[in-house]
Amino acid sequence: NAGVMQNPRHLVRRRGQEARLRCSPMKGHSHVYWYRQLPEEGLKFMVYLQKENIIDESGMPKERFSAEFPKEGPSILRIQQVVRGDSAAYFCASSPSGRNYGYTFGSGTRLTVV
Amino acid sequence: DAKTTQPNSMESNEEEPVHLPCNHSTISGTDYIHWYRQLPSQGPEYVIHGLTSNVNNRMASLAIAEDRKSSTLILHRATLRDAAVYYCILRDGGGAQKLVFGQGTRLTINP
Repeated sequence: NAGVMQNPRHLVRRRGQEARLRCSPMKGHSHVYWYRQLPEEGLKFMVYLQKENIIDESGMPKERFSAEFPKEGPSILRIQQVVRGDSAAYFCASSPSGRNYGYTFGSGTRLTVV
Repeated sequence: DAKTTQPNSMESNEEEPVHLPCNHSTISGTDYIHWYRQLPSQGPEYVIHGLTSNVNNRMASLAIAEDRKSSTLILHRATLRDAAVYYCILRDGGGAQKLVFGQGTRLTINP
């Protein structure tokens, strides 16, 4: 089992460009979560998705950020018109259905906006 | 989300046991106690979780107080690789699925 796969590991974008971060959950996991970690800060919840549904997006910035988890393929976190403040590590986690399970996290995508 | 309180930092010596405390006085009956750790420049890693009974796995043990208002993560024999930030998190078994991370305890292991 390959675990949670995130790509790319590192992404450099110029201000105003779009960033697309991909997350493939563990096999058999139907729940995906995205977190952001700014330099020297803690992990902040962004969004929780199940296949084709956004369940909780209470941590998502209101503008420029969107997420999806299509029926086929990985979950995508999309940041439009990136700004320097978007530079951070973005982590994806997955879990099976049911609440008596832990999360498995990916290694993250480190986004740098220049 | 129910709140947890952890010391900001702790220090221990290699090959000695480490007891990481966590207070969660407002825990509800359906909340699971989860522990994760984050090594430098890595993603968080699941350590252990429990509801009422003490739990053991290959990484650690979780001791849960009888009233469930506190718990302790026990690393039986610390190694340098255990140096990380450890997070104690309550996960609602009856409601929202998301984990809310606090500041955690930064554990330093001395050789």
